[in-house]
Amino acid sequence: AQTVTQSQPEMSVQEAETVTLSCTYDTSESNYYLFWYKQPPSRQMILVIRQEAYKQQNATENRFSVNFQKAAKSFSLKISDSQLGDTAMYFCAFEPNAGKSTFGDGTTLTVKP
Amino acid sequence: EAQVTQNPRYLITVTGKKLTVTCSQNMNHEYMSWYRQDPGLGLRQIYYSMNVEVTDKGDVPEGYKVSRKEKRNFPLILESPSPNQTSLYFCASSPPGRTKQYFGPGTRLTVT
Repeated sequence: AQTVTQSQPEMSVQEAETVTLSCTYDTSESNYYLFWYKQPPSRQMILVIRQEAYKQQNATENRFSVNFQKAAKSFSLKISDSQLGDTAMYFCAFEPNAGKSTFGDGTTLTVKP
Repeated sequence: EAQVTQNPRYLITVTGKKLTVTCSQNMNHEYMSWYRQDPGLGLRQIYYSMNVEVTDKGDVPEGYKVSRKEKRNFPLILESPSPNQTSLYFCASSPPGRTKQYFGPGTRLTVT
């Protein structure tokens, strides 16, 4: 069974600065996706970014990018030019092609003005 | 509009009174899933379904049942709810390849 670990329960960053959220995982699967989801106070789950395990190139979506290190089983999220609206809980998630999904326990990010 | 709907959104019930939380998606997705979210524990998968009539246990299936009689619906059944099932529940569906999960708005359940 796979595991997903987010070692930072809480983080804060000043508006306009850059912050990196950490995620490590463990699996014996070879084909899978990794995701970062954002959950604002409304509790809605919002996809931030996705990485296919077979792709070496790191995914980017505007101000959000990942550092995917497959051998190290590491999948960190970098948020550039942080905005107040980025304040939320962030979840790292592992999705195999078949079978169970696994989420980390989340990191609460606060962006300070 | 592509969406996953859940009903009810909020429910307060008493121990032992059977309840069903409905989940429906309009995207013709084969994969559907139920999660519970508790403070400090992230989302934990309860059950998932790869297709009609195919369901499997997730990490926390005890006390829950599901059924998948048709592709669009995946109800979560609590036959005899207990206070430790007080939680926020999410239903989700995914297209082939599991390239993304579409989440419902969540159901906040309180069992007294």
